[in-house]
Amino acid sequence: EVVMTQSPATLSVFPGERATLSCRASQSVSRNLAWYQQKPGQAPRLLIYGASTRSPGIPARFSGSGSGTEFALTISSLQSEDFAVYYCQQYDNWPPYTFGQGTKLEIK
Amino acid sequence: QVQLQQWGAGLLKPSETLSLTCAVHGGPFSGYYWTWIRQPPGKGLEWIGEVNHDESTTYNPSLKSRVTFSVDTSRNQFYLNLNSVTAADTAVYYCARGLPAEPFDYWGQGILVTVSS
Repeated sequence: EVVMTQSPATLSVFPGERATLSCRASQSVSRNLAWYQQKPGQAPRLLIYGASTRSPGIPARFSGSGSGTEFALTISSLQSEDFAVYYCQQYDNWPPYTFGQGTKLEIK
Repeated sequence: QVQLQQWGAGLLKPSETLSLTCAVHGGPFSGYYWTWIRQPPGKGLEWIGEVNHDESTTYNPSLKSRVTFSVDTSRNQFYLNLNSVTAADTAVYYCARGLPAEPFDYWGQGILVTVSS
């Protein structure tokens, strides 16, 4: 099983600033990595797939990077609606597909 | 627009069977893999497994002995059964759409299932 580790667990950022979230895989997952955003009481929403491709309708301030075992999600200028929990997920090696434990992005 | 609508019992006693339904609206049923994912309160996401239109299944090895998926292509619905539940199975259960080696692009609204005596 591929273990996904996200850091930090919580990130406090001022609105308008840049946020960078990290995700590490226990073995290479190539670029088969997705990022999801989850707000309280809602299902996760697919933001990024293929490590760096934005899902339709996702604003350009969201960008993904990385390959192999190290990945990052960057939000260039935080808006109020961006404060949420973010999960990475690998879909290179399954079963099972695996998710990170999440990073909570909170307002500073 | 694809929508996934879920329903099922929200409160179970230990040893009972969890049964959930997910209906697919606004998109094709065939050609995709239909997935169940769960999230214990305040915790992360766990993939339970997937099923396609001809009932080809893949289960998470950690749950394989207790899980069964099925489909009804005439209704564009798929089903989760998880037997012998315990308090550790308390979670929000989501259905979602995917493909092999692809992420999950559409999700149901989620159902909180609580296991308590």
